[in-house]
Amino acid sequence: DQQVKQNSPSLSVQEGRISILNCDYTNSMFDYFLWYKKYPAEGPTFLISISSIKDKNEDGRFTVFLNKSAKHLSLHIVPSQPGDSAVYFCAASDLSGTYKYIFGTGTRLKVLA
Amino acid sequence: DTAVSQTPKYLVTQMGNDKSIKCEQNLGHDTMYWYKQDSKKFLKIMFSYNNKELIINETVPNRFSPKSPDKAHLNLHINSLELGDSAVYFCASSRFTSGGAGETQYFGPGTRLLVL
Repeated sequence: DQQVKQNSPSLSVQEGRISILNCDYTNSMFDYFLWYKKYPAEGPTFLISISSIKDKNEDGRFTVFLNKSAKHLSLHIVPSQPGDSAVYFCAASDLSGTYKYIFGTGTRLKVLA
Repeated sequence: DTAVSQTPKYLVTQMGNDKSIKCEQNLGHDTMYWYKQDSKKFLKIMFSYNNKELIINETVPNRFSPKSPDKAHLNLHINSLELGDSAVYFCASSRFTSGGAGETQYFGPGTRLLVL
């Protein structure tokens, strides 16, 4: 049972435009969410996180939005740059002490110059 | 300076062999993890250790045995390798807080295991 889903395996965006990556989850106990970015032949690197007490968190060009009622989060990248081309994973956890993040299958973003 | 390192980066071996993957972190973290990314790109946790103590043990065949000699190292030993073990294995580490999860996990570059 896949508790974290990224239904778009890939996305192409023109440089300078907005990239929107989506993630849905099914477990209502999840209350902490992260986005990781992964380049080929490297491990995932942390990008941005949000806890369920917020509905938005912003860090430079990256903003994560959380819609708890819809069990949906999204990552906005504005403006998109060619260096943003990577696979983006969303991950979710409940803060009850499990230390376990459940990852989605990733969305490959390609930013076209 | 590499924060989380894994060796080897690539591992090609025959079915039935026993192999180990090593992981080291120099971040001073207390908690370390092993993840497996299969051919469908699922990144799934296998084990987690906090201060050398096992805290997460997912449903993983007991052919897989993690070993933590100290809190900076978490090695993964795999006995009797099978074709289905072919995957990328990622090590990660994080701080440990009394509040539980919510700490960023830092990943190593991965070990690509191919079982023939």
